[in-house]
Amino acid sequence: DTGVSQDPRHKITKRGQNVTFRCDPISEHNRLYWYRQTLGQGPEFLTYFQNEAQLEKSRLLSDRFSAERPKGSFSTLEIQRTEQGDSAMYLCASSSNTGDYNSPLHFGNGTRLTVT
Amino acid sequence: AQKVTQAQTEISVVEKEDVTLDCVYETRDTTYYLFWYKQPPSGELVFLIRRNSFDEQNEISGRYSWNFQKSTSSFNFTITASQVVDSAVYFCALGNYGQNFVFGPGTRLSVLP
Repeated sequence: DTGVSQDPRHKITKRGQNVTFRCDPISEHNRLYWYRQTLGQGPEFLTYFQNEAQLEKSRLLSDRFSAERPKGSFSTLEIQRTEQGDSAMYLCASSSNTGDYNSPLHFGNGTRLTVT
Repeated sequence: AQKVTQAQTEISVVEKEDVTLDCVYETRDTTYYLFWYKQPPSGELVFLIRRNSFDEQNEISGRYSWNFQKSTSSFNFTITASQVVDSAVYFCALGNYGQNFVFGPGTRLSVLP
C-alpha cells in the first residue's frame, strides 16, 4: 500500500492560466474523490468517480473545472482560466466501496495552488 | 441534505488534561457512517475512526474514545491525558454509500506543554 499520491505538491500560476493536477489512488480502490480546502475550513467536496464513471459533481465545480479518470486508475483535475479565488489546497482521496460497505477516505498530501 | 457541525472552533488545553471535541450531524438517511480525521501541521488528513449508524457502542483506542449517540445526532471524540503531539485540526465527517462525504469545519486543538 503506497498510499494516495498527488502531483505536483505546489503550483503557482498567473491568473488566466490553465493548470492540471494528477492523483494516483491506492491501487485496489475503486472510488476516487476530489476535495478543495481553503485556510481554516474543512474539505469541500468537488467530485467523485467510481471506476471511470464520474458519479457526482458539486455546484462548486464551475464549468472551468473538469475532472477525468479515463481508465479507472489515476485521475486529473483541470482548472481553466484560473482566478485568484481558486487558490486552495486540492485534495484527492480514494476508498473501496463494495456492496454496502463504506470504507473511509484515504487522502493524499494535496496540491497547493496559488493564483497570482 | 447532510450537514456536520463542530461548534468549537479552537480549544487550548494543558498537557495531560482530558479534552472532548463535539460533533453534531444532520442526515435523513437511516444508514450512514461517521468519521473522525486528524490534520496535523504537516497537512495530511489522517483517518482515526469509522462508525456506522447501526453501531452505537462506544469505542476506546488507547487515549482516544468516541461517544456516538443517535438520539442527539452526536459523535463526540475525547482525548484522555492529552499530549503536545495531539495538537492538530480535527474533522468530523458524515458519509453514506453512494454519496459523497461531508466534512465539518474542524476544531483546532492546541495542547500546551
